[in-house]
Order: sequence, then C-alpha cells, then structure tokens
Amino acid sequence: DTGVSQDPRHKITKRGQNVTFRCDPISEHNRLYWYRQTLGQGPEFLTYFQNEAQLEKSRLLSDRFSAERPKGSFSTLEIQRTEQGDSAMYLCASNQLEGANYGYTFGSGTRLTVV
Amino acid sequence: AQSVAQPEDQVNVAEGNPLTVKCTYSVSGNPYLFWYVQYPNRGLQFLLKYITGDNLVKGSYGFEAEFNKSQTSFHLKKPSALVSDSALYFCAVRDIKTGGSYIPTFGRGTSLIVHP
Repeated sequence: DTGVSQDPRHKITKRGQNVTFRCDPISEHNRLYWYRQTLGQGPEFLTYFQNEAQLEKSRLLSDRFSAERPKGSFSTLEIQRTEQGDSAMYLCASNQLEGANYGYTFGSGTRLTVV
Repeated sequence: AQSVAQPEDQVNVAEGNPLTVKCTYSVSGNPYLFWYVQYPNRGLQFLLKYITGDNLVKGSYGFEAEFNKSQTSFHLKKPSALVSDSALYFCAVRDIKTGGSYIPTFGRGTSLIVHP
C-alpha cells in the first residue's frame, strides 16, 4: 500500500475549460474526503464519501463542482467552466469509519492553475 | 460552531532550541484536536492527536502537544528543534458535539523555520 495517490500532480488549464482529478485512497479506508487549499490558508473541506455515498458537501462546492466515488474505491472531482478563483491545491484524504477520530491520511495533492 | 486559531504566521527557532507552535480552539462541546505537518508541494502528514485521557500527547518525530482545557489551547512542542523540522504546521479541531460529520476545521497554518 503506497498511501493516498492523486493524479495529476499539476494541471494548468485555460479559463472556461473542464478539469477532472482522481484520488485513490488507501484500499481499506471507506471514507474519502476532498479539501481545497489556497496559498496562506489551511485546507478547506469540500465534500466526503463513505463508501460510494456522498454524505456531506460544503457550501464551497458550487454547482460547477461535482465529485463521485462510483464503486467506493477511487474518487473523481470535476470542475466545469473553470475560473481563475479555482486555482488552488486540491487535496484528497481517507480514513476508516471506525478510526474517524484518529486523523486522515492525505495525498500529495493536485495543484490547479487556471490561466 | 468550531474554529481554530494559529496566532503566529511564522515561528523562528535556532537548531537545538525548544520550539512551540501555538494553537487555540473554540467548540461548543468537547474537542478532538490534531496536528499535521506539510512539507513543500506535499500533502499533510498526521503528527498527533488528542481524543481523551492524558493532556500531554506524544506524536511522530519527537513532537508532543499539551491539551489545556481552561485555556482552550493545544500547543505543539519539541524539546530540541532540527533544521529538517522546517515546514508548515496545521492545527485542526473537531467538536464532538456535532457528531456524525467527522469533519475537522483546520487553522491557517504556522510556518516553522529552524535556523542552523
């Protein structure tokens, strides 16, 4: 097990284009989380899944954002019609339901730059 | 509502000296508290947690943190700093009272710089 993997590491896109990021959590972890981090800020919660069910979404997650975890394993985060304000590091994290109070394992993140 | 404050944007310390990175929190119930470290262009790494029990919590890489309920603080400490400890440190809190959500709130982070 190599931990939480995120792909791609970096993405540069033109404003108005759609982008999709992928996260592969630790295999036995049933909870998966997406966070966004901008320069000088801590991670801000976007959404999380327990298995394939999306249980909570932040108000930060506008209708241009959608996340899926179709088989309860990997997850994708799609941003449609990207805006410059979407430029950020997108972090994925996972943990197990039983250990949900015991911290996350984070991936290295996908850095999005919208030009 | 839950919130966490890291009052220092940057902490500078000489190698070999003790270090402290401050964190205060606000919850309506009881807190679960966490510290994470982030190296450049990397995700966050879990350092330690306070859930219940002993107020002094020991974690990875020689770090420890002390839970102080009366001061609503959870400061991160290390007796002897290393240059390799230089990184961004994030405190996070989850209010037990919210229940079910398991979503902690992170602070803005403190940049620790350890000088040789």
